[in-house]
Amino acid sequence: KAGVTQTPRYLIKTRGQQVTLSCSPISGHRSVSWYQQTPGQGLQFLFEYFSETQRNKGNFPGRFSGRQFSNSRSEMNVSTLELGDSALYLCASSPGTAGGVETQYFGPGTRLLVL
Amino acid sequence: AQSVTQLGSHVSVSEGALVLLRCNYSSSVPPYLFWYVQYPNQGLQLLLKYTSAATLVKGINDFEAEFKKSETSFHLTKPSAHMSDAAEYFCAVKKSSNDYKLSFGAGTTVTVRA
Repeated sequence: KAGVTQTPRYLIKTRGQQVTLSCSPISGHRSVSWYQQTPGQGLQFLFEYFSETQRNKGNFPGRFSGRQFSNSRSEMNVSTLELGDSALYLCASSPGTAGGVETQYFGPGTRLLVL
Repeated sequence: AQSVTQLGSHVSVSEGALVLLRCNYSSSVPPYLFWYVQYPNQGLQLLLKYTSAATLVKGINDFEAEFKKSETSFHLTKPSAHMSDAAEYFCAVKKSSNDYKLSFGAGTTVTVRA
């Protein structure tokens, strides 16, 4: 099976712009989670989608949003970019039906640089 | 709140020596615990996970971890370090059987000396 894919891999934006990142999960997986990784804050959970519904949300401002499509692909959007949004954004997928025991499989990430 | 603490942000070992990475969790109920590894410019790869089936968990690349409830620990070990083990390692937890959110420790960077 193909793994989790994320596009684009690298992105440079300027403050105030918005950005959309895409994630395609492993075939058959219906849960997609997003994480932000920064040197200062580490790995932080953004949100999780299952069957096109947001099931869980982390503690991030409303500028961060996401959605999931009927084919389980997911996008996250960050509006009004700030310098502090520079980070590696990781997407992870799992079947979405077995809860805590499930393994989340991570993509390679999208590295966003905000200038 | 569910959390994990990784002791030591950097660990340096000699090739062939034991690798020991420490992780303690805070929980009032048995958690689901995971160890992930991240190589430079890559995503996270699962090494092993604890889901209450057995306290000693074996993972990929000869890594293993032991769940000790009395010590609230889930330390990761590997008997003999290889140069390819140089990476960053993360301990993570899910708080319940209905949880899909991973809470990560701060990470431990492992350097392997020749």
